Formats: sequence, C-alpha cells, structure tokens
Amino acid sequence: AQSVAQPEDQVNVAEGNPLTVKCTYSVSGNPYLFWYVQYPNRGLQFLLKYITGDNLVKGSYGFEAEFNKSQTSFHLKKPSALVSDSALYFCAVRPYGNNRLAFGKGNQVVVIP
Amino acid sequence: EAQVTQNPRYLITVTGKKLTVTCSQNMNHEYMSWYRQDPGLGLRQIYYSMNVEVTDKGDVPEGYKVSRKEKRNFPLILESPSPNQTSLYFCASSTGTGTNQPQHFGDGTRLSIL
Repeated sequence: AQSVAQPEDQVNVAEGNPLTVKCTYSVSGNPYLFWYVQYPNRGLQFLLKYITGDNLVKGSYGFEAEFNKSQTSFHLKKPSALVSDSALYFCAVRPYGNNRLAFGKGNQVVVIP
Repeated sequence: EAQVTQNPRYLITVTGKKLTVTCSQNMNHEYMSWYRQDPGLGLRQIYYSMNVEVTDKGDVPEGYKVSRKEKRNFPLILESPSPNQTSLYFCASSTGTGTNQPQHFGDGTRLSIL
C-alpha cells in the first residue's frame, strides 16, 4: 500500500526566507505526486503535481517541487516566503494505475513577519 | 463558479441516529471521493467513485456508505454513527478517472457524534 511521510509537524520561517516542506513516499511502481494547501476553515487547494517528465515542477503562488526518485522524495519549495503562505500543507501520492490517493499528515507552515 | 458543495457544514448529533452528508459538484467530473481529516493523521480516504453506479472502498470505509446515482451527487451516509466518527469530512472531485488529475475539494463538514 502507498504511504506518505511528512516528518515535521511545523515549519517556521521568516518572511522573505526560503521555505521547504519535506515529503517522502512509499509506493509500488511509478507515483503520481501532489501538493495541496489548506487555509483555516477551507478545503484543500491544489498547488502542483508530478506525473512524468522534468523532475522540477512549478505550481501556483510561486511554489515548486522537486521529484527525486532515488530518495523517494517530493519536497515543496518557495524561494521567498510570504506571511500569507502560513497554512497547512499536504503531500499526496497515487500509484500509477491505482485510484486511491494517500495523504501525509500535513505540515503547518508559519511565516513570521 | 466551479465548486464542490457540502451540506451541512456543521452537525452535532447523537450515537445511532442516521445521518447523510450531501456532496454536489457542478464541473461534470467523473471521479468523486470522501475523506476524513483527523489531527496527526492527515486525510484518509473513505470511499471513491469512478462514475455513476461505480463506487469502491478507500482506506477507512467501515461504518460508512455511499451512493452515486447521479454524476453530480455523492452523498456520505452514516447508518449508525458512533463517537469515533467525529471528524472533519471532505468531499472532492476530479475529471476523468482522477488518476493523475488534481482534486477539487469542498469546504468540509464538521461532524460531532455524542
């Protein structure tokens, strides 16, 4: 069965500094990987996905993520964090040919002004 | 506006009293899914549906039922709710089979079972 690990409960970063949210996964076969963001009292919003091709994918709001097959990782990054980036971030994986989606437990990001 | 609508947004009820959470999407999506979100556990998939009259279990289906009689609707049914089903529930939809497409989420339903 597929699984996702987001090792840090909370990530604190100063405004303007680079932001990294870590994600590693375990899956049989090729993975489809996703990042979502959740603001208070709202549903999840899609940020970006990796399906195939270039290992560096760019998404909404200046976020990007790098797929590393050898390390089974898909870390989310943003070069310069904004206070408005403070939210809960979820990594998710779906194996190719499998219709079930597995989410990590989420990372709370706090951007300090 | 493209959206996934869940009702109710909040519900407090008692053990054993049947309840239904409705979910409707206006994007003509084939794939729909239910998740529950619990602190420290992230989102866990309850049931999903690939299309009308096609449903399948996710990771935590026990105690839940679903139906997909129309493409736009995917209600979640708790026949005999118990306190361990107190949680935040999300409905989501995506185009095609949903395999590699991002999901659109509703704003959630917070259920409290006393």
